[in-house]
Order: sequence, then C-alpha cells, then structure tokens
Amino acid sequence: SAVISQKPSRDICQRGTSLTIQCQVDSQVTMMFWYRQQPGQSLTLIATANQGSEATYESGFVIDKFPISRPNLTFSTLTVSNMSPEDSSIYLCSVVGRPGTGERLNTEAFFGQGTRLTVV
Amino acid sequence: GEDVEQSLFLSVREGDSSVINCTYTDSSSTYLYWYKQEPGAGLQLLTYIFSNMDMKQDQRLTVLLNKKDKHLSLRIADTQTGDSAIYFCAESIDTDKLIFGTGTRLQVFP
Repeated sequence: SAVISQKPSRDICQRGTSLTIQCQVDSQVTMMFWYRQQPGQSLTLIATANQGSEATYESGFVIDKFPISRPNLTFSTLTVSNMSPEDSSIYLCSVVGRPGTGERLNTEAFFGQGTRLTVV
Repeated sequence: GEDVEQSLFLSVREGDSSVINCTYTDSSSTYLYWYKQEPGAGLQLLTYIFSNMDMKQDQRLTVLLNKKDKHLSLRIADTQTGDSAIYFCAESIDTDKLIFGTGTRLQVFP
C-alpha cells in the first residue's frame, strides 16, 4: 500500500489569490493524479502528473488555472490560481501503486485525505 | 464517452444486507473499484475486481461484475451503523485514471 500526505488539509482563501497543495507519497510512483470533488458531487479528474514532463489535463481543466509540478517520483503540487468561490471543493491526489520501474505493481489506487478549500 | 451511474440513496436496517449498484459504459475498463467516503474524511478503498472476474468476496463484502451488462454491485452483509457513508464505484481504463460514479449515500438505521 502507499501512504499519501496532503497539505494543507483545509484552507479558507480570498478570491483572486492562489493556493498550492502539496502531495507527498512514501514510495516512488510513476503517475500521480489530481481530482476535484465539488460539494455534494462525485470526483472528477483534473490532470495526470507525470514526472519529467508536463501534466496531462482533462477536458475542462487548463494549465493556467491549475498548474502542476512533479519534480520527482514521490512529490507533486497542484496550484489553484486566481480563485473564485466556484473553486471551493475538496482536492485530492491519488496514486496507483507502482514504484519506479514502469510496471504496475498492484492495482490499488490510493487517495490522500484531501484538501478542503473554501474561497470567500 | 465514459459514464458511471449509481443510485443516489439507500437506506437499510442494521443487520440486513445492503446492495449498491453501479452501471458503466466503457467496456475497455480493466479494474473496477469500490470506495467508501465518510463525512469529512478521505476516500477509503474497500475492494476492487479485475474485469475478467465475475465475483470477489472479502469478509462482509461481495463484488459482482456482469461485464455483458456493464453492471457492478457491492453487497455488504450484516450492515452496521458504521457502514453509513457514501460509496463510490470507479472504473480504470488505459492510463490508470479513474472515472467515478455519482456516489450512493448509504444510511443504516437501528
């Protein structure tokens, strides 16, 4: 299994500002994923964070709004830029267990505890 | 396109079995997952099933997969009040990204 730590766990931010969320994994993984869960909704994938290359964004999400960094195989950040109240959500990072080598070690997808963001 | 549907709400009596259903549209999904989310908490992976299986049992949990009908279910035996939560099914395809269902809120009453 993988242990995922997210910071901050929650924040209240002013509109127009930006917040960077950190995700730390206790083992090396090839791909990390960032999801958003709007209030009362299901989870939607924002992007896939790849080490050594640009993130791959899903339809409806753009790099200018949600820049992502992936400096190594255990860490990623998601920034929510120029925030508005509509960005109030829980943001979660996720990994599929597989340290380093390119093969799928196991099939379990693990999630961090999430960052609860409120924009006022 | 990818679409994963669940019924929104299920209410059961403590001790009874709960069955949460999920339908999906992408026949190329490789793994199907069930997650539990309690209020204010993150997502807990309950179990998963590979797409070439039709059943998996893990203690009180039984997962049934009907690939022909693209139907997945989670049965919780002897449901307890601690099982009250939102349950999400999810399918993974090609690149390990997950497509989540709409979530089913399970309420267990005494």
